[in-house]
Amino acid sequence: EDKVVQSPLSLVVHEGDTVTLNCSYEVTNFRSLLWYKQEKKAPTFLFMLTSSGIEKKSGRLSSILDKKELSSILNITATQTGDSAIYLCAGYYSNSGYALNFGKGTSLLVTP
Amino acid sequence: EAGVAQSPRYKIIEKRQSVAFWCNPISGHATLYWYQQILGQGPKLLIQFQNNGVVDDSQLPKDRFSAERLKGVDSTLKIQPAKLEDSAVYLCASSPISGTSGRANEQFFGPGTRLTVL
Repeated sequence: EDKVVQSPLSLVVHEGDTVTLNCSYEVTNFRSLLWYKQEKKAPTFLFMLTSSGIEKKSGRLSSILDKKELSSILNITATQTGDSAIYLCAGYYSNSGYALNFGKGTSLLVTP
Repeated sequence: EAGVAQSPRYKIIEKRQSVAFWCNPISGHATLYWYQQILGQGPKLLIQFQNNGVVDDSQLPKDRFSAERLKGVDSTLKIQPAKLEDSAVYLCASSPISGTSGRANEQFFGPGTRLTVL
């Protein structure tokens, strides 16, 4: 059975800390690994990772995919209270089109 | 560019009642998805349309859930009759180009409908 597993499920850090979120996947017809940030509304796109070993960066966020280990990490440096959210990892797979298989998410709380 | 629209935003019903959700995707987007997100879990794909045809409905509980996208534009998801375990946020998403990979097929999510079944 296909699955996407994220760890930890929840995390509380102080502003300025660096955090690493983990995602492992077993997804049939896997194409890419996506990270989303979900605050109180709909998920918003962060990264799409297709190639192994190539880091993607956006400001204080970065992510990398390891296809050999079937895993990905999302790093956030110098965390801010605005980073508090649920971070979702999803395997992008092909059916007759493309669809997403999401993990349960990591709930991150950044305290002042 | 207008985003994915969903209505209603909130709905409270009693078990065994019926409920319908509506989604209007971004103009021109061929693919439309309905996801169910139960509290504490990630979104789960219920059904995927490409234009007005169903691509994947393998996780849709067909005894009580139905969905349609008759003209290949907006879509309706119905639950009849509702159960307590259907309490969740129902997310609609759309993507512009089906059958291709990469950012060209990025999914854009609507704000969701929060359903509470009492």
